Amino acid sequence: DGGITQSPKYLFRKEGQNVTLSCEQNLNHDAMYWYRQDPGQGLRLIYYSQIVNDFQKGDIAEGYSVSREKKESFPLTVTSAQKNPTAFYLCASSIGGSFYQETQYFGPGTRLLVL
Amino acid sequence: GESVGLHLPTLSVQEGDNSIINCAYSNSASDYFIWYKQESGKGPQFIIDIRSNMDKRQGQRVTVLLNKTVKHLSLQIAATQPGDSAVYFCAENRGRALSGGSNYKLTFGKGTLLTVNP
Repeated sequence: DGGITQSPKYLFRKEGQNVTLSCEQNLNHDAMYWYRQDPGQGLRLIYYSQIVNDFQKGDIAEGYSVSREKKESFPLTVTSAQKNPTAFYLCASSIGGSFYQETQYFGPGTRLLVL
Repeated sequence: GESVGLHLPTLSVQEGDNSIINCAYSNSASDYFIWYKQESGKGPQFIIDIRSNMDKRQGQRVTVLLNKTVKHLSLQIAATQPGDSAVYFCAENRGRALSGGSNYKLTFGKGTLLTVNP
């Protein structure tokens, strides 16, 4: 069963703590993305990666970090520098490579809450 | 339409009626458009896409219309069902970056909440 998985579904963060959100895909997609969704706003791009071992900042990268050591995995760390981390986080992937005008497919999301 | 503050535009329809959801996009250079459906607490699901060389595309019970002159996109859902209740949002992409390289970035609208009354 192909798709994108995110874990955990809910995550609680204490003040000053770093937390890592998992994203795995078995679609053989080269490109992966992290978005943040807040109520009443469109999705905002945090980081994206077009290929293994390479990634670029999106529009709101401050307070976040990523790695792309494997094609299937693109974990997102929310650091203590992110002062307003409460949001719904969505991971997506697309075919990548030489394609453009690509459809992005989304995982089920992780809701991050601050204690 | 676009949302104001924390409130999404809403559309309420009766089961069996047709629904039309609108989206105004911002970049005249955008050449690829996608409609997504997002149910509460879930990730967005791809519904249908359209490229700028088309003005209409049909799927199963859905039709997307593109009017490049006024930068307007619409999603029509035929015979709306209770399972269609969700937030629907559009996304636009400018396929090529200014440098000529691929551009993977999508720009998303804020969405419209569709409620289907039985």
